Amino acid sequence: KAGVTQTPRYLIKTRGQQVTLSCSPISGHRSVSWYQQTPGQGLQFLFEYFSETQRNKGNFPGRFSGRQFSNSRSEMNVSTLELGDSALYLCASSLVMSRWDSPLHFGNGTRLTVT
Amino acid sequence: KNEVEQSPQNLTAQEGEFITINCSYSVGISALHWLQQHPGGGIVSLFMLSSGKKKHGRLIATINIQEKHSSLHITASHPRDSAVYICAAHPMYSGGGADGLTFGKGTHLIIQP
Repeated sequence: KAGVTQTPRYLIKTRGQQVTLSCSPISGHRSVSWYQQTPGQGLQFLFEYFSETQRNKGNFPGRFSGRQFSNSRSEMNVSTLELGDSALYLCASSLVMSRWDSPLHFGNGTRLTVT
Repeated sequence: KNEVEQSPQNLTAQEGEFITINCSYSVGISALHWLQQHPGGGIVSLFMLSSGKKKHGRLIATINIQEKHSSLHITASHPRDSAVYICAAHPMYSGGGADGLTFGKGTHLIIQP
C-alpha cells in the first residue's frame, strides 16, 4: 500500500507570491491534516479535513487555506507569502478523523523557502 | 490552551543505555502520540495511547492521565535510534473546531557507538 505522498518535495518562492501544496493520503483514508514545522516554533497544527469539509483549524492567519477533494486528496494554499512562512509543511492521513483510536501516517513533507 | 512540555531537549547517550524521555501537558486530553523524526523530515508515529502502557520492540510508552504525564523509554539503545522524538497531545473533543494536536518541542537523541 502506498504511503502518504506530498508534492513537491522542495519549493522556492518569492515574498508576495502564492503557493499550493498537494497531499495524497493512503488509499481508504478519509482524514487529512496539515502541519507547519519551523526551527523556532516546532510543529504546529494547521487544519484538518474530513469528507471534503474543514473540521478543525489551528491558529494561523487567513492566508493559509486548504481543501479536500472527493478522492480525499488535499491541497493547502498560502497566499501573499512572507519570509516567516519558510518551513517544512507536513500532511498526515488517518482512516477517520484524528482521534484517540486513529493512528496518523505522515508524508515526507514539502520544504518551502520564501526569499 | 494546552501546553505540552518535553524533557530533556537534548540527550546524548552510549549504545546500550536505557533512555527515558518525558512529556507533560496542562489540560485533559483524549490521547497522546509519540512520534519519531529522522533527519530529512519524515515522521513516523510510534505510539498512540490514552491510558496505561504500550510496548513495541525495544520501545515502551506509558501515560498517567491523573498526573498529565507520559514517558517514552528505549531499552538497549542503538545508534539507529538517533532521531528527534516528539510527543503530541490530542485534546478532549470539544466540538469547537479547534481540536488539532499540540506538539512538544521535541527531544534530540544521539546514541553514540
